[in-house]
Amino acid sequence: AQSVTQLDSHVSVSEGTPVLLRCNYSSSYSPSLFWYVQHPNKGLQLLLKYTSAATLVKGINGFEAEFKKSETSFHLTKPSAHMSDAAEYFCVVQSGYSTLTFGKGTMLLVSP
Amino acid sequence: GAVVSQHPSWVICKSGTSVKIECRSLDFQATTMFWYRQFPKQSLMLMATSNEGSKATYEQGVEKDKFLINHASLTLSTLTVTSAHPEDSSFYICSASRTSGSTHEQFFGPGTRLTVL
Repeated sequence: AQSVTQLDSHVSVSEGTPVLLRCNYSSSYSPSLFWYVQHPNKGLQLLLKYTSAATLVKGINGFEAEFKKSETSFHLTKPSAHMSDAAEYFCVVQSGYSTLTFGKGTMLLVSP
Repeated sequence: GAVVSQHPSWVICKSGTSVKIECRSLDFQATTMFWYRQFPKQSLMLMATSNEGSKATYEQGVEKDKFLINHASLTLSTLTVTSAHPEDSSFYICSASRTSGSTHEQFFGPGTRLTVL
């Protein structure tokens, strides 16, 4: 069994300040973990993924995430938010070849 | 590479009619495709797993007779919403699985907005 919990439904930041989107997971096996971004009425875009290689994963658009097995966390960060980062973010877990399980999403709001 | 398309991007239909949504992997072959449903301001819920040349596997609570899935080729899966009702209005997203060595990565389509009047 696998599950993912996104701890915040909404996160508000000012442009130029750091972003932290939190994600905790549970998995029976060594998981693969993903972060996707979805802009309004658009499909999903993969930001980054962890698949048992380096625990600090760098993605597109300056985002990165760190896999912490002891904390069962995979938080997404970015040093400096941009207005174009405003979107819905989904943390996703996959165990082995199982299907993907999505978190409920975190809406990132960026103010000028 | 790894582009997935969906057609149509949006559709409006009358209650009681059927609507077909296509999902295509444009530059790779996908033996497995997935169909998700997303309600407003909610997460994606897996509806079914579509396997080329065999019957789809539906998640618990998804009516297989209402949501017909056909995966006739390695690049095309279709979802037909039969006798659509307003409660079927939703954003439907497909993904296609690409195998590379021992990894299976899913690539998502842009989604189809279905509105049933």
